Amino acid sequence: GAVVSQHPSWVICKSGTSVKIECRSLDFQATTMFWYRQFPKQSLMLMATSNEGSKATYEQGVEKDKFLINHASLTLSTLTVTSAHPEDSSFYICSAFGPSVTGEQFFGPGTRLTVL
Amino acid sequence: KQEVTQIPAALSVPEGENLVLNCSFTDSAIYNLQWFRQDPGKGLTSLLLIQSSQREQTSGRLNASLDKSSGRSTLYIAASQPGDSATYLCAVGGSGKLIFGQGTTLQVKP
Repeated sequence: GAVVSQHPSWVICKSGTSVKIECRSLDFQATTMFWYRQFPKQSLMLMATSNEGSKATYEQGVEKDKFLINHASLTLSTLTVTSAHPEDSSFYICSAFGPSVTGEQFFGPGTRLTVL
Repeated sequence: KQEVTQIPAALSVPEGENLVLNCSFTDSAIYNLQWFRQDPGKGLTSLLLIQSSQREQTSGRLNASLDKSSGRSTLYIAASQPGDSATYLCAVGGSGKLIFGQGTTLQVKP
C-alpha cells in the first residue's frame, strides 16, 4: 500500500512559538493531502484540504492564519501552527489519496504536539 | 451535512467471540466507506475499503458490509483475539473528504 510519513512524531514547544509538521508521500505522488486533528478520546476532525500548487481549503471554524498549510511539491505538505497555545495541543494526522482510483486514503502516523 | 455514528462506543468481549461493529451515516450519496484501526497514541491503519457500488469486502477475519440505501455498514470480526483490541473507526468518503465516526473501542480479554 501507499506510505505516508510525518515528521516529527512528537514535539514539545513553549507557548507563543511556531511549530512546523511535515507530511510526505513516500512512494507515490499526492496532489491532494488532508490535515486532521484529534483530541484525546475523540475522533478525527478534518482541518483542511491541501492542494499542490494552490491555496489550502479550510474547514469551517479553522483559523487559516493560525494553521498555515503549504503544499509545495507532489510529495510534501506542511502544517505550521503559528503562535501556539496550550489549547493547540493535540494529535495532528495527515492523509493522502493513494495512487489508485479507488479513493482510498492513507494516513501518516501522526504528530503529538504539546504546548507548554 | 453528513453525520457518521458508531455504536457501541465501547465493547468488551472474551477471546474467541465473533463480534459486529456498527456504523451509520445520514447521507447515502457516498463515494466509498473505509474502516480503520487505531491503537492508542498511533495513527490509522486502513482495514477495508468498500466502494459505493459494492456490498462487502473481506480481509482475513474481517468482513465489512455496506447498505447504502439504509445508510449502514457493519464490520464483522471473527474469532476475536487480544491483539484485536483497539479503536475501530469508520469513515465515509464523499466530495473528496472523509467524515469519521466517533469510533468503537474494543477490548478482547484473554
